[in-house]
Amino acid sequence: EIVLTQSPGTLSLSPGERATLSCTASQSVSSNPLAWYQQKPGQAPRLLIYGASSRATGIPDRFSGSGSGTDFTLTISRLEPEDFAVYYCQQYGSSPFTFGPGTKVDIK
Amino acid sequence: QVQLQQSGPGLVKPSQTLSLTCAISGDSVSRNTAVWNWIRQSPSRGLEWLGRTYYRSKWYNDYAVSVKSRITINPDTSKNQFSLHLNSVTPEDTAVYYCARGYAFEFWGQGTVVTVSS
Repeated sequence: EIVLTQSPGTLSLSPGERATLSCTASQSVSSNPLAWYQQKPGQAPRLLIYGASSRATGIPDRFSGSGSGTDFTLTISRLEPEDFAVYYCQQYGSSPFTFGPGTKVDIK
Repeated sequence: QVQLQQSGPGLVKPSQTLSLTCAISGDSVSRNTAVWNWIRQSPSRGLEWLGRTYYRSKWYNDYAVSVKSRITINPDTSKNQFSLHLNSVTPEDTAVYYCARGYAFEFWGQGTVVTVSS
């Protein structure tokens, strides 16, 4: 099973600032089947990024993903008020398809 | 637009079977490029993928090792839906359960809070 770790656990930032979230896999995620999700309280997760760097339908271009192998990054270029939430990475290249523990982005 | 509508009981007794259904609109459960998943979320276990079903000339299933001995996911082509059955539940199975489409999960059901308690 591929274990995903995310850092930091919590990121305290102000609107307009840049957020950089990391996801590290315990083994290589071949062909980059790595996704990022945003989750707000009481809601299902929302797909932001798939294939490590492709934005899902309707996702603003302030969200970008990068990385390969075992190290991946989600960047939010300028935080909007609606971006304060929990973010999860997930690999779908090797069953079981695992999630990271999440990074909470909160308002400083 | 794809929509997934979940239904099923919110309270299950220990040792019994948890059963949930995910009704699909805007897509077909038997489309041969689609994949249909069940995922759960709890404070202790986080987000946990449980399993999936998909059609590629025949039906396939794939289950997480952690629940493999207790889980069944079934498609129902007549109703365009798929179901989750998890037997011999314990309080550790208390969670929010979601259905979702895809390899990366682009479309999600609304979630069902399931509590395992006597």
